[in-house]
Amino acid sequence: QVQLQESGPGLVKPSETVSLTCTVSGYSISSGYFWVWIRQPPGKELEWIATINHSGNTYYSPYLRSRVTISVDTSNNQFSLQLRSVTAADTAIYHCARYMFGGGSCYFDYWGQGIPVTVSS
Amino acid sequence: QSALTQPRSVSGSPGQSVTISCTGTSSDVGGYNYVSWYQQHPDTAPKLMIYDVTKRPSGVPDRFSGSKSGNTASLTISGLQAEDEADYFCFSYGPTYSPFGTGTKVTVL
Repeated sequence: QVQLQESGPGLVKPSETVSLTCTVSGYSISSGYFWVWIRQPPGKELEWIATINHSGNTYYSPYLRSRVTISVDTSNNQFSLQLRSVTAADTAIYHCARYMFGGGSCYFDYWGQGIPVTVSS
Repeated sequence: QSALTQPRSVSGSPGQSVTISCTGTSSDVGGYNYVSWYQQHPDTAPKLMIYDVTKRPSGVPDRFSGSKSGNTASLTISGLQAEDEADYFCFSYGPTYSPFGTGTKVTVL
């Protein structure tokens, strides 16, 4: 059974950088698929942030590209997100997920439960 | 960024059918057969219910079905059951940005 678990700080100060990690179990990131970060601000829809594959190829939302870095650590079966210069608008629940794209298919088949991140001084 | 438009809520009695719409543009929903639907109960991880517009993952009851016409995709729940009460949201691939839907709360009366 594939499982994803987010970890990171729950509270970040404005202008700081938040770093989140997604630990994958039940599947080796090196085996394939893409891996993504998605967030949901309070009362708003889900928003795709960034995608990475096991080779380190990255894709970013054009709306967050300038502040985001996604990376992968295959040795620990983890991938991570860095979001810089945060503001209150970055307050959200952050999910990681496995993303299937290719071979005529596109979907997120496994999700983490999500980690709430609050930006506040 | 433009989210896909969903009704805020739909409701039905047990055994009835409900349909949730998901409206986008020709750059996402209308341009690709890459619409997926997710169910989320409170404080749980989202669950994939439909992918590639009409396909159902193993383990998802066949009362869940998907379709698409033009720039609007739809999720239909036939034979509504109490455990179907949850939030549902759609997702579509787009070459420059892949939007999610605004989300729909399904209430079983």
